[in-house]
Amino acid sequence: QKEVEQDPGPLSVPEGAIVSLNCTYSNSAFQYFMWYRQYSRKGPELLMYTYSSGNKEDGRFTAQVDKSSKYISLFIRDSQPSDSATYLCATLYGGSQGNLIFGKGTKLSVKP
Amino acid sequence: DGGITQSPKYLFRKEGQNVTLSCEQNLNHDAMYWYRQDPGQGLRLIYYSQIVNDFQKGDIAEGYSVSREKKESFPLTVTSAQKNPTAFYLCASSRPGQGREKLFFGSGTQLSVL
Repeated sequence: QKEVEQDPGPLSVPEGAIVSLNCTYSNSAFQYFMWYRQYSRKGPELLMYTYSSGNKEDGRFTAQVDKSSKYISLFIRDSQPSDSATYLCATLYGGSQGNLIFGKGTKLSVKP
Repeated sequence: DGGITQSPKYLFRKEGQNVTLSCEQNLNHDAMYWYRQDPGQGLRLIYYSQIVNDFQKGDIAEGYSVSREKKESFPLTVTSAQKNPTAFYLCASSRPGQGREKLFFGSGTQLSVL
């Protein structure tokens, strides 16, 4: 079983839709949970970072972590064409210099 | 503006050739990392360095080498021993006191084999 599973998509939504992106993970020792956004042929950019279960909100973005079910989500409200990118989830355990595992990424397209 | 600069943006390697990818940062970050990204795969760690003159192998170090002579610079050499070098290479750094939970990435170098 892969340590971090992420549906690669592609996912296509109309502008203004609520987008839900999800990952599951297998190792209960994972401590940190991140979402990165990556535009085509660019480096990833950290969007959200959380250490605990629950929700974390930043503008139109909400990250949700459910450690009991090993499930992490990113919600995008009022999606915009500029949100079209690949979204990578990532998890970390063993401390901040421990093992960082990335999902394969979900490609999102927001149509005007 | 502070950031991480990777060059070149595109690089082509001939059979048996070593090539070097440049990574420079002006963020005053101590730790630097090299990742490889293949289509449909997650990022995989090649090498990392937490301080000058020190570096450690990551998960896929075979066929690669690095140096860290200056805090600002962390070049990656893809040697002829790396038989499948075609990939998108990403350099990253993290702030003092923080680790891999908050990485800052460069714009990447696409390496292809001629």
